[in-house]
Amino acid sequence: DGGITQSPKYLFRKEGQNVTLSCEQNLNHDAMYWYRQDPGQGLRLIYYSQIVNDFQKGDIAEGYSVSREKKESFPLTVTSAQKNPTAFYLCASSGGTQDTQYFGPGTRLTVL
Amino acid sequence: GQNIDQPTEMTATEGAIVQINCTYQTSGFNGLFWYQQHAGEAPTFLSYNVLDGLEEKGRFSSFLSRSKGYSYLLLKELQMKDSASYLCAVRGKAAGNKLTFGGGTRVLVKP
Repeated sequence: DGGITQSPKYLFRKEGQNVTLSCEQNLNHDAMYWYRQDPGQGLRLIYYSQIVNDFQKGDIAEGYSVSREKKESFPLTVTSAQKNPTAFYLCASSGGTQDTQYFGPGTRLTVL
Repeated sequence: GQNIDQPTEMTATEGAIVQINCTYQTSGFNGLFWYQQHAGEAPTFLSYNVLDGLEEKGRFSSFLSRSKGYSYLLLKELQMKDSASYLCAVRGKAAGNKLTFGGGTRVLVKP
């Protein structure tokens, strides 16, 4: 059963703590992406990776870090430097003839 | 850069038709995507247009005019389960297959 998994679905953290969100895909896609969505708004790109061991900053990378050591995995760390981390985080991967992006179920992060 | 506009909210009646417009400005165009997103869930892919014209997929159709920087998503025979947000996203020609998303249009289907 191919797809993208993100865990956990809900995450609570205290202010000042770093937190890592996981994203795994078994679609054999080369490219993976992290987005942030705030209530009532569209998606904003945080980081993306076109290939293993390489990644680029998106539009709102400040306060975030990523790694891409394996093709299947693209974890996102929300650091204490991110000023407003509470949001819905979505991971995606792309492939196929149209290079369509497909999304995981998301992680809702709340920083208390 | 890219700029994408779509209406914030629309209301329609079950069984009717609704058209969601999306206008965009981009320095390079390499495709337009529509996604459906139910509240609290992830977006799911609906349609893709890269050439001018209409793409039909069951009750959903999407139209593109590249010269006008315009697309619409047409939802026919509306069902209550179609109540969701619909996101328009444009892919530029820069490396990375990056999408720029509009703010989404929330569609409320009433009985």
